[in-house]
Amino acid sequence: DGGITQSPKYLFRKEGQNVTLSCEQNLNHDAMYWYRQDPGQGLRLIYYSQIVNDFQKGDIAEGYSVSREKKESFPLTVTSAQKNPTAFYLCASRDGDEAFFGQGTRLTVV
Amino acid sequence: DAKTTQPTSMDCAEGRAANLPCNHSTISGNEYVYWYRQIHSQGPQYIIHGLKNNETNEMASLIITEDRKSSTLILPHATLRDTAVYYCIVRPRRAAGNKLTFGGGTRVLVKP
Repeated sequence: DGGITQSPKYLFRKEGQNVTLSCEQNLNHDAMYWYRQDPGQGLRLIYYSQIVNDFQKGDIAEGYSVSREKKESFPLTVTSAQKNPTAFYLCASRDGDEAFFGQGTRLTVV
Repeated sequence: DAKTTQPTSMDCAEGRAANLPCNHSTISGNEYVYWYRQIHSQGPQYIIHGLKNNETNEMASLIITEDRKSSTLILPHATLRDTAVYYCIVRPRRAAGNKLTFGGGTRVLVKP
């Protein structure tokens, strides 16, 4: 089935460690996005990529990094510089009118 | 992308129509209105989009005012499964390349 997959669904890390969240899509979409969502809040854009080997900062990029070496993959690294990394992270891809979202990764940093 | 304003929350009765408003007074001529919804702890789901004509699909209807400064998403017969946060977004219609930003949305609670 075509879709967008995020893994893992739940992730726990110790404070000060970098962690990488996976996002894979087999929809052949050019554009991919990463969002952060805190409890009771809307989605905030972290990074987005229009095409392979290119990406732009979103509204809250500090403390995060991404890569786009392959069209189908857009991993997000939450670095130790991110002050409040505990959140729900959503990845999306889009090619046209409709954006498709993964089921999210809930990251807890203790 | 143009900014949108939506009510923070609203309740509606099961089986009745739910009318969700969205203001986008700064919308540009090339920007479309898109609606998504997010059921608790899941990724958002596309519902419908339109430019200036009213649109209908199997999920909902979209009514856009003549001046395009506001729109209404209509869920014709709300069910308990329609309880979700609904996001209204305006952006140009392009294959790729522009930011996709979400506001706070409207938290809709469908009550039996």
